Parts: sequence; C-alpha cells; structure tokens
Amino acid sequence: DADVTQTPRNRITKTGKRIMLECSQTKGHDRMYWYRQDPGLGLRLIYYSFDVKDINKGEISDGYSVSRQAQAKFSLSLESAIPNQTALYFCATSPTGRHEQFFGPGTRLTVL
Amino acid sequence: AQSVAQPEDQVNVAEGNPLTVKCTYSVSGNPYLFWYVQYPNRGLQFLLKYITGDNLVKGSYGFEAEFNKSQTSFHLKKPSALVSDSALYFCAVRDNYGGATNKLIFGTGTLLAVQP
Repeated sequence: DADVTQTPRNRITKTGKRIMLECSQTKGHDRMYWYRQDPGLGLRLIYYSFDVKDINKGEISDGYSVSRQAQAKFSLSLESAIPNQTALYFCATSPTGRHEQFFGPGTRLTVL
Repeated sequence: AQSVAQPEDQVNVAEGNPLTVKCTYSVSGNPYLFWYVQYPNRGLQFLLKYITGDNLVKGSYGFEAEFNKSQTSFHLKKPSALVSDSALYFCAVRDNYGGATNKLIFGTGTLLAVQP
C-alpha cells in the first residue's frame, strides 16, 4: 500500500551494529504496528502503538525498541543486531474503530 | 491459547478451477477473522473480513470466505482461479485477550500456485 512507506527496503548489516527501520504513513491512522515475517512462521508482532504516547510490547519484543515520533512515524530499532534477527519486517497501520490493518512494502534485513 | 492454523503449506490448482485455502481458528469470544494476500516483494494486502452477519463474506479480486462456527473454520474460496492469483495467503484472527487493541494473530501462510 503506497500510503504506508518503509525505509530502507533492503539492508545488510553486521552483528553488533545498531539499525533503525522507519515507517511513515499518510493514512491518518492512530494505530501502528511492527511485525517480522520468517518463513514457515507467518507474521509475529514486535511492538504496537495507539498514539504518540502509547507504546506496547508484542510477542517478540526482546532485542528491539521503538519510537513513535509523530502520529505518522513509527521507527523500529535493533540496538545490537544479531543474525537471528534476519527477517522481513513489516509496518502496518489501523484506524481506530476498524479492524483491518494496512501494510507497508516491507524491509528485508540481513544480519551477517 | 488463541491461534490460527493453515494446514496446507501449498495449494496447487489449475487455472479456471475452483480454489480453496483452508483456515481454522481458536479464540475466546466472538471471532474477528481476516484474509490477507502477499504478492512477491510486496506487503500484505487486505482481502476480506468477517466480523458478524452473513457467513459468506465477499472480498477483493473475486475472493470469498465462508465462516463456519461449528467447525471453527474460515476457508478462502474462489470459483475460478487465475494465474495472477498465485501468491502467499494469510489467515488472521483478532486477539480477543487484548481488548480493543486490534492485535492480529496470523497463520503461517499458504502458498497458492495456479498453473496455466
């Protein structure tokens, strides 16, 4: 969905490096989410946010942190990347009062 | 525990034939169910949802899904498959433990391959 953008689209980094993945949306949605996708495991929730002052851990938050800089921006950080964080990362948004989520194109992260 | 199961890793169907992608769920309370499609190198796209009402839900691209409460299933269907339907399909259920959080629990995905 072009209204949800993610940068970078691809990133290769080394173990121990700090990495930030960024998500921006023009949909005006309050709720934003970060997922990771691994083959055979589907999507798993890392963090979610309902507004700028609200941050919540998902099922696999260890090793990650987030920042909601504005309603439209939600960043995911890996403070010290490790190889098992190699995955496809998706940002999603959802408007309050509705249930479906709208996904960005994804960031493919490789940690060597 | 709440969960979604997609029992088939891959479904193969010939173009023009009907297709079914299976999904079963386990959730406390009323189920809110979703189907998403992921084309190569793209994010997930919303196809359809069941919240309440008719058990047969119609969505994008000619897809529909049938909610069956007694079988706790929400199978995705299309009467006539197209080669362009080839993609990865995810079933999801709202996490009802989280209140009004809209958190989704995803299945592991089913790869649909439509042969010409």
